[in-house]
Amino acid sequence: EPEVTQTPSHQVTQMGQEVILRCVPISNHLYFYWYRQILGQKVEFLVSFYNNEISEKSEIFDDQFSVERPDGSNFTLKIRSTKLEDSAMYFCASRPEGAGAGELFFGEGSRLTVL
Amino acid sequence: LAKTTQPISMDSYEGQEVNITCSHNNIATNDYITWYQQFPSQGPRFIIQGYKTKVTNEVASLFIPADRKSSTLSLPRVSLSDTAVYYCLVGDRNTGGFKTIFGAGTRLFVKA
Repeated sequence: EPEVTQTPSHQVTQMGQEVILRCVPISNHLYFYWYRQILGQKVEFLVSFYNNEISEKSEIFDDQFSVERPDGSNFTLKIRSTKLEDSAMYFCASRPEGAGAGELFFGEGSRLTVL
Repeated sequence: LAKTTQPISMDSYEGQEVNITCSHNNIATNDYITWYQQFPSQGPRFIIQGYKTKVTNEVASLFIPADRKSSTLSLPRVSLSDTAVYYCLVGDRNTGGFKTIFGAGTRLFVKA
């Protein structure tokens, strides 16, 4: 069964460093998403991406964040200068054209720890 | 996007049927109701989606009354492995898909 894959599974970084989280969505999917989940809290929407541009973003997704689809298969989330409060699990998700607002397929997540 | 309200937590025992109800009083005509399951340290997993009446798949059933202001996720004969957080989401299948928002969810504890 096809799945969304994310790397790294866990990254530890120093405050102020840049971090890039990588995702490989399911191959025929056209909509891509990043979510984050701080330990013990709910899943928070960050950004959605369609047709090579951002469709929607939340207030969390400020100028420190950016997304890119560099090569037609990868979908990356960059945090330019990490803060302690960026420590969280980051989930990538994708869905195909025609699927409903549900039916998002999530990866296993990348745990980011900022020291 | 319609706001949803769910119980914060529920307890059950193995073998019982569990019903989790979600309120969505402001649901719009084009909105669908979707439920996800999340285990600790894993991404949410789609369970079921419906618009009205009843939908059933191999995992769960979804009951939606005529006014659509609430919905009930029914898990038959739960096991310990069904312990997870269950999220109810409401949104337009088309435009809402760009910004699928999760609420606080319901933590289900299944005991032996």
